[in-house]
Amino acid sequence: GAVVSQHPSWVICKSGTSVKIECRSLDFQATTMFWYRQFPKQSLMLMATSNEGSKATYEQGVEKDKFLINHASLTLSTLTVTSAHPEDSSFYICSATSPRGPYTGELFFGEGSRLTVL
Amino acid sequence: AQRVTQPEKLLSVFKGAPVELKCNYSYSGSPELFWYVQYSRQRLQLLLRHISRESIKGFTADLNKGETSFHLKKPFAQEEDSAMYYCALNSGGYQKVTFGIGTKLQVIP
Repeated sequence: GAVVSQHPSWVICKSGTSVKIECRSLDFQATTMFWYRQFPKQSLMLMATSNEGSKATYEQGVEKDKFLINHASLTLSTLTVTSAHPEDSSFYICSATSPRGPYTGELFFGEGSRLTVL
Repeated sequence: AQRVTQPEKLLSVFKGAPVELKCNYSYSGSPELFWYVQYSRQRLQLLLRHISRESIKGFTADLNKGETSFHLKKPFAQEEDSAMYYCALNSGGYQKVTFGIGTKLQVIP
């Protein structure tokens, strides 16, 4: 099956620093990746849609300068939380899909990355 | 705009009892609906999709366009069914999926 891997799983950083989270599709090419934020006991909040080779599309209310997304290849998307503050502490999840191949329409999720900003 | 509504945040049932997790949607186009499940300390994964019309782990879901619903059902709940369940609507040519808020299913032994 299709596997999506996120790294790191846990990250603790100081306020004001930047943190990069990677999302990789291990055995398929992901033309589209999605980044979500999940607060405790709440649903997934879509932050942005990342298309390979083009700029990400951000959801309303998500600061694009704060959450930098890069999708430079068909197997890797990165989310960089810039100048992180304690309110950015959350669980970030990526998912990937591809309109080609046998996985059309299905989302494959990474294991998530928990960010704690001190 | 599309919307997915899961009215229950928590559903507790006894083992062996029937389960129905409700999902209603709002979408002007032809919907493609999914149920995703997240077991404790595991990643989200697809449970089933309406177009496949299959039963996975005893769960089924029928798309009712008249009632704009896609309820998830299982006749006899098992303890291992305890998890978070998310209903999702796929729109925009696979470019965007909208999730419901999720329902936590708790199966009591």
